[in-house]
Order: sequence, then structure tokens, then C-alpha cells
Amino acid sequence: NAGVTQTPKFRILKIGQSMTLQCAQDMNHNYMYWYRQDPGMGLKLIYYSVGAGITDKGEVPNGYNVSRSTTEDFPLRLELAAPSQTSVYFCASSYSTSGREGEQYFGPGTRLTVT
Amino acid sequence: AQSVAQPEDQVNVAEGNPLTVKCTYSVSGNPYLFWYVQYPNRGLQFLLKYITGDNLVKGSYGFEAEFNKSQTSFHLKKPSALVSDSALYFCAVSSPPPPGGGADGLTFGKGTHLIIQP
Repeated sequence: NAGVTQTPKFRILKIGQSMTLQCAQDMNHNYMYWYRQDPGMGLKLIYYSVGAGITDKGEVPNGYNVSRSTTEDFPLRLELAAPSQTSVYFCASSYSTSGREGEQYFGPGTRLTVT
Repeated sequence: AQSVAQPEDQVNVAEGNPLTVKCTYSVSGNPYLFWYVQYPNRGLQFLLKYITGDNLVKGSYGFEAEFNKSQTSFHLKKPSALVSDSALYFCAVSSPPPPGGGADGLTFGKGTHLIIQP
């Protein structure tokens, strides 16, 4: 299994541009998550999904959108990029019937810089 | 709202000595507690978790953690540190959903850099 994969690994955006961060998992996990990691701040939950067709906001959803058309894929869309969105983005998935109890498997991350 | 505190930004330990990385939490209801490790330029890796049962939890790479409900703590420990244990460690918490539901996912601490000196 490849586990959780993310593309791209690095990206530089200009202010106002848009992009989609890709995330895929091949473990048939129903729960998937997007986090951002800022230096010295831990991880903050952006959006999550409990299954195909179901998404919900986390702690810091403003400026982002997600979709979950399949079990495997959970892309994160940035519209009108702003410098405050400079961060490292991690996608994760979990197999537990309750997303709160199961260990999460993380992708390698996407380092995004907005200038 | 739930929260996690890791009071030390950095912990330095000599190789072969025991190590402790501290974590305290605040949740409504029963906590689900996790430790993750992050090596440079990598995603987080699961180490161990406490959901219910025995307060002493054993995990990967010889790490263990003790759940202390009265002190709301979940400190990570290892009897004998290795240089390869040097990394960034995160404590995280979740809890059963409140009535009416609530956001899923984990709440993470800010992380503690563990440095093991040869």
C-alpha cells in the first residue's frame, strides 16, 4: 500500500492565485482530514470528511474548500491565495468507525508559500 | 472547547537516560489521547493512544505513556533514550461527540522538540 499520498510537495503561489492540493489514500479509510501546520503552532484542522459525499468544517476553514466524491480522494482547494495561507498542509486518514478514536495516518505534506 | 498543553518547547536528554515529554489536556467528558512523532520533512507517525482501560499504554519504539485523570496528564516516557529518538513530538486529544454532534478530528499541542545527545 502507498498509504496517504499528497501532491505537490512544494508550491509557490502569487497572491490571488488558486490551486488544488491533492490527497489520496489506498487503505479504504472512511475518515479523511486536512490540517495545516504553522511553525511552533502544532496542527490545526481545516476540513474533514466522514465518507464520500460528506464534508464538514474544522477549526480554520476560511479560504479553503473541499470535496469528497470518492472514498480514496480528498482534494483541498485554495481560492484567492493570501500570505496567511503560507504553511505546510497535511492530509490524514483514519479507519476507525469513530474518527475520534482511531489513529490517523498522515501524508508527507505539501509546503505552500504565498508571496 | 478542548485543548492540549505541552509546556516544554525542547527537552534535552543524554543517550541511555530515561526521557519524559509532558502533556496536559482539557476536554469535556472522557478524553481520547494520542502521541505522534514527526521526523524532519515528514508527516506525523502514530506512537500510541489511550481510549479506555489500563492507565499505562505501551506503544511503538519502546515508548509508553501514563494517563492520569486527576492531573489531566498524559506524559510520554521511555526508559532509555536513543539518538534516533530525536524528533518533534505531538500530544493530541479528542473526545466522544457532545449531544448534537461536533467537529471531528484531533486537537494538537504545539509540539516538543526532543534532542538526545550522544
